[in-house]
Amino acid sequence: QVNMVESGGGVVQPGRSLRLSCVASGFTFSNYDAHWVRQAPGKGLEWVAKISYDGAYKSHADSVKGRFSISRDDSKSTLYLQMNSLRIDDTAEYYCAREGLVREFDLWGQGTLVTVSS
Amino acid sequence: DIVLTQFPGTLSLSPGEKATLSCRASQSVTSAYLAWYQKKPGQAPRLLIYGAATRATGIPDRFSGTGSGTDFTLTISKLESEDFAVYYCHQYGKSPPTFGPGTGVDIK
Repeated sequence: QVNMVESGGGVVQPGRSLRLSCVASGFTFSNYDAHWVRQAPGKGLEWVAKISYDGAYKSHADSVKGRFSISRDDSKSTLYLQMNSLRIDDTAEYYCAREGLVREFDLWGQGTLVTVSS
Repeated sequence: DIVLTQFPGTLSLSPGEKATLSCRASQSVTSAYLAWYQKKPGQAPRLLIYGAATRATGIPDRFSGTGSGTDFTLTISKLESEDFAVYYCHQYGKSPPTFGPGTGVDIK
């Protein structure tokens, strides 16, 4: 079954770090670019970061640049998001998404919730 | 960044009725790189339409997308009970990719 499953969310204090994982299955993960997208409570979707299929290209939203870092391990079919210096406004459901052949986000995980609170 | 505006904010309709959702971009969307997603609480977003008008795999033909440039429309011809959700438009032609604020379709 074609699937992406996130993990690693939880409650963390401001200024601390967290690493999210997203395991892909049912397809050749190494053939695809991938993204992280988040949704704060009661808000819309916000793109966070992208990594190319070979890891050579990475891009991050201005709101997380210098604090978050996207990476991948194709031997484990896993996408990561390292989140440092977390802030209260980083509280959100975080989704991983696969980029399809025409650059649309054609497969999404169910999400993992990150709550930043003192 | 390209800002996407969706209207109306909420649509209250009955099953069997037609839903028309609009998405307007602050600048022209490159090569119609415009998608629509359905989102239900606790579920992953589901791709409905990409390239402005192409239905994704497995999406029923009651969903259709039209538009180009800065104005795009998602139409649901006859609403079924499982269609009540929030719908987001998304442009991915220019970095950073951006999403609209969503249109909620709820049961009247």
